[in-house]
Amino acid sequence: AQSVTQLDSQVPVFEEAPVELRCNYSSSVSVYLFWYVQYPNQGLQLLLKYLSGSTLVESINGFEAEFNKSQTSFHLRKPSVHISDTAEYFCAVRSGGSYIPTFGRGTSLIVHP
Amino acid sequence: GAGVSQSPSNKVTEKGKDVELRCDPISGHTALYWYRQSLGQGLEFLIYFQGNSAPDKSGLPSDRFSAERTGGSVSTLTIQRTQQEDSAVYLCASSFSPGVVSYEQYFGPGTRLTVT
Repeated sequence: AQSVTQLDSQVPVFEEAPVELRCNYSSSVSVYLFWYVQYPNQGLQLLLKYLSGSTLVESINGFEAEFNKSQTSFHLRKPSVHISDTAEYFCAVRSGGSYIPTFGRGTSLIVHP
Repeated sequence: GAGVSQSPSNKVTEKGKDVELRCDPISGHTALYWYRQSLGQGLEFLIYFQGNSAPDKSGLPSDRFSAERTGGSVSTLTIQRTQQEDSAVYLCASSFSPGVVSYEQYFGPGTRLTVT
């Protein structure tokens, strides 16, 4: 069965600093990779996804993630964070043969002024 | 258009009572998922519907949990004889057929269940 590890449960950072949220998954022949964001008292929203093609994917609000097959990782990065980026971030992986994505436990990003 | 909606948004119930949680998916989405989100535990998969059938209900934690979907649309998750450990946020998500490559789940805001 697929597993997803988000190594950091909480990441505190100051505003305008860079951030990286780590995500590793167990190996599989083919995978689809996702990052979701959950703002307080809201449902999850898709932030970005990797399905195929370029290994670097970007979101409209400045986040990016890179699919690294050899390291089975899909880390999320942003060069300069804002207070409004404070939220819970979930990495999810769907193996090619499964209809059910597996979610990590989430990383709480806390941006301080 | 309208997103995934869930009701109620909050539910407080006494231990031993039955509860029903409702999910209205996005129109046209054939797949529907229920997850449970507990503090520090991430998302726990409960059950998946394709149309009105549930090909995967492997995540239901006990026989006190059941779910149905009617008309390929609305779904109800029922928890019988609630226990305190059932307290969590229950999330519903829908998508087009997961066989589509550009598969993406759309989540509702969740129902926060508190069992006292």
